Amino acid sequence: NAGVTQTPKFQVLKTGQSMTLQCAQDMNHNSMYWYRQDPGMGLRLIYYSASEGTTDKGEVPNGYNVSRLNKREFSLRLESAAPSQTSVYFCASSTLAESYKQYFGPGTRLTVT
Amino acid sequence: AQSVSQHNHHVILSEAASLELGCNYSYGGTVNLFWYVQYPGQHLQLLLKYFSGDPLVKGIKGFEAEFIKSKFSFNLRKPSVQWSDTAEYFCAVTTKTSYDKVIFGPGTSLSVIP
Repeated sequence: NAGVTQTPKFQVLKTGQSMTLQCAQDMNHNSMYWYRQDPGMGLRLIYYSASEGTTDKGEVPNGYNVSRLNKREFSLRLESAAPSQTSVYFCASSTLAESYKQYFGPGTRLTVT
Repeated sequence: AQSVSQHNHHVILSEAASLELGCNYSYGGTVNLFWYVQYPGQHLQLLLKYFSGDPLVKGIKGFEAEFIKSKFSFNLRKPSVQWSDTAEYFCAVTTKTSYDKVIFGPGTSLSVIP
């Protein structure tokens, strides 16, 4: 099993550009998440998806959109990137069978100039 | 809204020193509690978890944590740290009303000096 995979690993954007971060899991998990990690702030939930076809806002959803394409894939889109979105983005998945223990991807380091 | 606080932002210890990292949460109902660790350059991984039963839980690499319900706390401990424990540690909680939505604390950065 590859677990949770994310692409790209690194990205540099100019203010106003758009991009999509991709995430996929091969563990047949129902729940998937997008977090951002900033120094001193820990992990903050951007959006999550409890199951295929559903998405919900987390703590910091502004400036982001998500798509749960199917059970495996959960993408995060920045429509118009801003310097405040410079961060490390982690995708995670979990399942009720493991009491929602989070399995994390390797992260995407995004810089917006 | 539920929240998780961690007492220390950055802890520096010498090898063989004892470790205790504080974690408090704000929720009056049933909770599941977790500690995750992030080693330098790596993604987060589960260290230990508490769901029910014995409030003293043991995790990997000699770590343990104690759930004290009356204090809304879930502190992480290790009797003797090693240089390889240098990492960032995150406390996290899920609640009965939202078991699939995990709230993380801000993290504590631990540096162990050889």
